[in-house]
Amino acid sequence: DAGVIQSPRHEVTEMGQEVTLRCKPISGHNSLFWYRQTMMRGLELLIYFNNNVPIDDSGMPEDRFSAKMPNASFSTLKIQPSEPRDSAVYFCASSSGLPGEQFFGPGTRLTVL
Amino acid sequence: AQSVSQHNHHVILSEAASLELGCNYSYGGTVNLFWYVQYPGQHLQLLLKYFSGDPLVKGIKGFEAEFIKSKFSFNLRKPSVQWSDTAEYFCAVNEAGTALIFGKGTTLSVSS
Repeated sequence: DAGVIQSPRHEVTEMGQEVTLRCKPISGHNSLFWYRQTMMRGLELLIYFNNNVPIDDSGMPEDRFSAKMPNASFSTLKIQPSEPRDSAVYFCASSSGLPGEQFFGPGTRLTVL
Repeated sequence: AQSVSQHNHHVILSEAASLELGCNYSYGGTVNLFWYVQYPGQHLQLLLKYFSGDPLVKGIKGFEAEFIKSKFSFNLRKPSVQWSDTAEYFCAVNEAGTALIFGKGTTLSVSS
């Protein structure tokens, strides 16, 4: 198995631009998680899905952030408009159930200038 | 709400020294406990996990952790660290049906 796949691996954009991060979970996993990692705040859960349905989005910082999971093999995290304080590494993870081991993708390093 | 506390922000050790990283959680119900490791420039990988049974859990690369329910703790240990153990270590907790909640992480630097 290829593991969790995220794209792009690096993204540099200017303030105000729309950013879309993509994630392909491990085949057969039915739970998907989006995390943000910064030096100041550590690893924060943004949102997670179970069977493509958002279960808890209380970690989404504000309305500029949105996430979708149109099918079991794809999810997006969108930031519109982006701001410099959104600069972070965004990780996607998937698991085959709750509770369960979460498998992490390589992350997307986002820099907003 | 659940929370996870990792006592040490940065630990510096020499090779062959013993390691213990502290982790405490706040939730009083049945929890599942994890330690993840993030090597420089890489993504998080599972070191070990505890769901039930023997409270002493052995993981990869010689790591182990002990669940002490009365102390709400799940400390990570390794008897003799190597330079290659330099990484950031995260303790995480969840209860059934919820996502993992992570601690802030502990950076381990091992000098050769």
